[in-house]
Amino acid sequence: EPEVTQTPSHQVTQMGQEVILRCVPISNHLYFYWYRQILGQKVEFLVSFYNNEISEKSEIFDDQFSVERPDGSNFTLKIRSTKLEDSAMYFCASSGQGTINSPLHFGNGTRLTVT
Amino acid sequence: KQEVTQIPAALSVPEGENLVLNCSFTDSAIYNLQWFRQDPGKGLTSLLLIQSSQREQTSGRLNASLDKSSGRSTLYIAASQPGDSATYLCATKGTFGNEKLTFGTGTRLTIIP
Repeated sequence: EPEVTQTPSHQVTQMGQEVILRCVPISNHLYFYWYRQILGQKVEFLVSFYNNEISEKSEIFDDQFSVERPDGSNFTLKIRSTKLEDSAMYFCASSGQGTINSPLHFGNGTRLTVT
Repeated sequence: KQEVTQIPAALSVPEGENLVLNCSFTDSAIYNLQWFRQDPGKGLTSLLLIQSSQREQTSGRLNASLDKSSGRSTLYIAASQPGDSATYLCATKGTFGNEKLTFGTGTRLTIIP
């Protein structure tokens, strides 16, 4: 069964550094998402992406965050200057076929630790 | 703003028992509700998706129901097995212009062999 894959599985970075989290969504999917889960808290929406542009973003997704689909297969989340509170598990998800009721398929996540 | 609640936060049951997990939400204007399973340190595995027009969905030993008017969903697991031990999350998908998933905090389920 097709999967959403995320790399790396764990990223450690120093405060103020830039990080790029990478995702390969399921190949025929059209909608792409980033969510995050701070340890012990709920999974939170960050951003959705469709037709090569952001379709919705949360108040968490400020100017420090950006997303890109550089080559038609990868979907990346960049954090320009990381803060301690950015430490979380970041999940990429995709859904497909153009229907609003398609289920989201999630990757295994990247655990980001900011020191 | 949608709020999704799952009670209890943790549940332990002996193997073989049937069980019900609960999910409640405050805004009934949803496209669908999705149940996920999360194993420790892993991603989210989609279990069932119920569209707003549906009352229930079944997959194997799992049955999910939806009562949109009362803001409730349940996940019924029949004949529980140790492999069912995981955290179960429910999430609602908002309507046009607000289509993100809003997650509950989850129920951590332990099946005792």
